Amino acid sequence: AQSVAQPEDQVNVAEGNPLTVKCTYSVSGNPYLFWYVQYPNRGLQFLLKYITGDNLVKGSYGFEAEFNKSQTSFHLKKPSALVSDSALYFCAVRDKGGGNKLTFGTGTQLKVEL
Amino acid sequence: DVKVTQSSRYLVKRTGEKVFLECVQDMDHENMFWYRQDPGLGLRLIYFSYDVKMKEKGDIPEGYSVSREKKERFSLILESASTNQTSMYLCASSFTGVLNEKLFFGSGTQLSVL
Repeated sequence: AQSVAQPEDQVNVAEGNPLTVKCTYSVSGNPYLFWYVQYPNRGLQFLLKYITGDNLVKGSYGFEAEFNKSQTSFHLKKPSALVSDSALYFCAVRDKGGGNKLTFGTGTQLKVEL
Repeated sequence: DVKVTQSSRYLVKRTGEKVFLECVQDMDHENMFWYRQDPGLGLRLIYFSYDVKMKEKGDIPEGYSVSREKKERFSLILESASTNQTSMYLCASSFTGVLNEKLFFGSGTQLSVL
């Protein structure tokens, strides 16, 4: 079965510093990978996706993610964190069985402090 | 602007009650999904639908059923609510196709079963 793992429940970073939120995946075949963000009291919002092509994917709000096939990772990154980036981040993988069914990770709470 | 609307933001129900959670999307999406979100467990898929009157079980369908009589509306039904169904419920929708992987989420319904 397809799965993703987010090894960190929480990540703390100072504003202006680079941030990384980690995700590793386990799939058979080529993976379709996603990042979503959830701000307090809101539903999830799409950030970016990797289907094929360049290993560095750019998304919304200045975020990017690096696909690494040898390490089976898809880490979310941003060069300079903002306090407003504080939110819950989910990595997800598309189900191989078709359709747009996604399997989500357990989430990583990002806290950006002044 | 695209919109997925969940009928209630907060619900409090008693054990044994039949509970209906409603979700409406205005984007003419074929696919609709119901997830539940629990701390430390991330999002888990309950049911999904690829077309009107069509439904498929997700990863945790026990104790739930769904209805999709119209393309824009997808209802989640708790036949006899139990305390372990206290959770945040998120509805999502999307178009079909590899290039249309983006899920649009509603703001969620926080259900408490007492």
